[in-house]
Amino acid sequence: GAVVSQHPSRVICKSGTSVKIECRSLDFQATTMFWYRQFPKKSLMLMATSNEGSKATYEQGVEKDKFLINHASLTLSTLTVTSAHPEDSSFYICSARSGDRTNEQFFGPGTRLTVL
Amino acid sequence: AQSVTQPDIHITVSEGASLELRCNYSYGATPYLFWYVQSPGQGLQLLLKYFSGDTLVQGIKGFEAEFKRSQSSFNLRKPSVHWSDAAEYFCAVVRGSGNTGKLIFGQGTTLQVKP
Repeated sequence: GAVVSQHPSRVICKSGTSVKIECRSLDFQATTMFWYRQFPKKSLMLMATSNEGSKATYEQGVEKDKFLINHASLTLSTLTVTSAHPEDSSFYICSARSGDRTNEQFFGPGTRLTVL
Repeated sequence: AQSVTQPDIHITVSEGASLELRCNYSYGATPYLFWYVQSPGQGLQLLLKYFSGDTLVQGIKGFEAEFKRSQSSFNLRKPSVHWSDAAEYFCAVVRGSGNTGKLIFGQGTTLQVKP
């Protein structure tokens, strides 16, 4: 149980385009989902927290207009990187948490974004 | 604020040797602590967690960790390392509580296993 998927696993796009990454909880309802960014050889940096049906809460320094997060249902959150630039290239990981296990997060496999 | 420090950026051990990865936390109350492993290009897999109770926690893949409040540590151990254990290891603590809790990660330790 507690499986989280991400799609796509890998995406390459041109500079200036937008890219959408999906995060799904497959066998539980995720009241909260988190989006992380990971640079090569680095730790995970929390970008934002999204609760189903409400606006995402962004960490300091993360541009909310650049990284649009939508958590429209209890099993799906999306991260859209708008007007992507090469510096947005990174590994993006989502995690999900259910309402009854608030101290545990379950991680997706990650999405490798490369912006040319 | 709650934080996590992994003092060792890179560790190399021989296959079959014992392993200890260090993790120190900064937190006022009893922390919720985790160890995750990440293989290259992959997501995170939970090895073990500590919430309360027995301070020696058993995890998957033969790993264990011990919570020591007096030392503010939660070190990960394995008696005999296998080549497949080569990966990145992250210690993490929950900051906040309940629905506002967030995971704060240490910098990570890269484990290399020599044949």
